Amino acid sequence: ETGVTQSPTHLIKTRGQQVTLRCSSQSGHNTVSWYQQALGQGPQFIFQYYREEENGRGNFPPRFSGLQFPNYSSELNVNALELDDSALYLCASSFKAGTSYEQYFGPGTRLTVT
Amino acid sequence: GNSVTQMEGPVTLSEEAFLTINCTYTATGYPSLFWYVQYPGEGLQLLLKATKADDKGSNKGFEATYRKETTSFHLEKGSVQVSDSAVYFCALSDAGGGADGLTFGKGTHLIIQP
Repeated sequence: ETGVTQSPTHLIKTRGQQVTLRCSSQSGHNTVSWYQQALGQGPQFIFQYYREEENGRGNFPPRFSGLQFPNYSSELNVNALELDDSALYLCASSFKAGTSYEQYFGPGTRLTVT
Repeated sequence: GNSVTQMEGPVTLSEEAFLTINCTYTATGYPSLFWYVQYPGEGLQLLLKATKADDKGSNKGFEATYRKETTSFHLEKGSVQVSDSAVYFCALSDAGGGADGLTFGKGTHLIIQP
């Protein structure tokens, strides 16, 4: 069974640029959630996709957007990057949407905005 | 809104000591509660969970009991090992809050000395 994978591992971008991060969910999982983890902080929920539709969103501006594909993999897009967007971005997949379903996390993508 | 508060770290203990990491929460509905662990350079791993009041989650010698009356989910272990050194996150999932994302505390860095 393949776990959650994310790419790239590290990324450096300049303020104002756009970035796309990718996530492959664990086999059999149809729900993907994205989180932002600033240094020394807990992860913060960005949004969740269930069967290719946004299923819930945290307190993040519209320049954070996402997609989920028919194979349940997902992308996180961030436009007009700001210095505060520098963080570890975590993807998590689960068997179904719902509060009691365990979320399995990938290793993350470290984004640095200069 | 939902929130999780956990004790500040770092927490430094000697091997074989008793561990308690406090966690309290605020939620709008009836949340599920989780403890995640993050080892250096890795993503989050689910340590244990509880989905209703008075449930006890346990794994690898760690345990936590869902206390609705005190809105708490404290993590305990009777005898810690050097390999338990990591960052521990308390989290909740509450669909009544409008999304299925996890709300995390800021994390507690645990250091076990031999």
